[in-house]
Amino acid sequence: GENVEQHPSTLSVQEGDSAVIKCTYSDSASNYFPWYKQELGKRPQLIIDIRSNVGEKKDQRIAVTLNKTAKHFSLHITETQPEDSAVYFCAASSGGYQKVTFGTGTKLQVIP
Amino acid sequence: GAGVSQSPRYKVAKRGQDVALRCDPISGHVSLFWYQQALGQGPEFLTYFQNEAQLDKSGLPSDRFFAERPEGSVSTLKIQRTQQEDSAVYLCASSLGGLMTNYGYTFGSGTRLTVV
Repeated sequence: GENVEQHPSTLSVQEGDSAVIKCTYSDSASNYFPWYKQELGKRPQLIIDIRSNVGEKKDQRIAVTLNKTAKHFSLHITETQPEDSAVYFCAASSGGYQKVTFGTGTKLQVIP
Repeated sequence: GAGVSQSPRYKVAKRGQDVALRCDPISGHVSLFWYQQALGQGPEFLTYFQNEAQLDKSGLPSDRFFAERPEGSVSTLKIQRTQQEDSAVYLCASSLGGLMTNYGYTFGSGTRLTVV
């Protein structure tokens, strides 16, 4: 089955700096890569996703990149704000019905 | 409804007790997933329904776990003879897509199960 690895496990940045979270996946058939943000005690929420026919996608301060050859994908957050502090999960889907496998999460702390 | 609703929000069970966790997905969402999230970990897949059909139950950890979605809307995850290792947050997610279409999940708030 699919295996998703995520790094780093924790990340501290100063407010206004950029944050980058990296993931790798094992199944070359994976074709959908969502990212979820989970605040403490709350549900995971989809923040951005990318499909395998696209190399990069941007939404305001958030961007994702995908390298299918290397089986890497990354989340980039620019101009970080304290409200960006949360756990971020990458995920990959290779099933025909959207079953996703999650990474282990990155706890992002934005220091004011 | 406007979102995915799960109940109860918290459940404390004595070891050996049976529990039932409910999920009410977004109206019209074909796909429904159950995930288990241990403390400090990412969600782990348990089972998937497309409408009333359970198409994948490969993630259920043992035969003590059972899920159903008899009318293609509300789903129930049942855990029999609960054990301490069952303590986790159980997340339900629904999605508009079905086979061969990928849409993001909308998660419920989860049920935090503590087995004592």
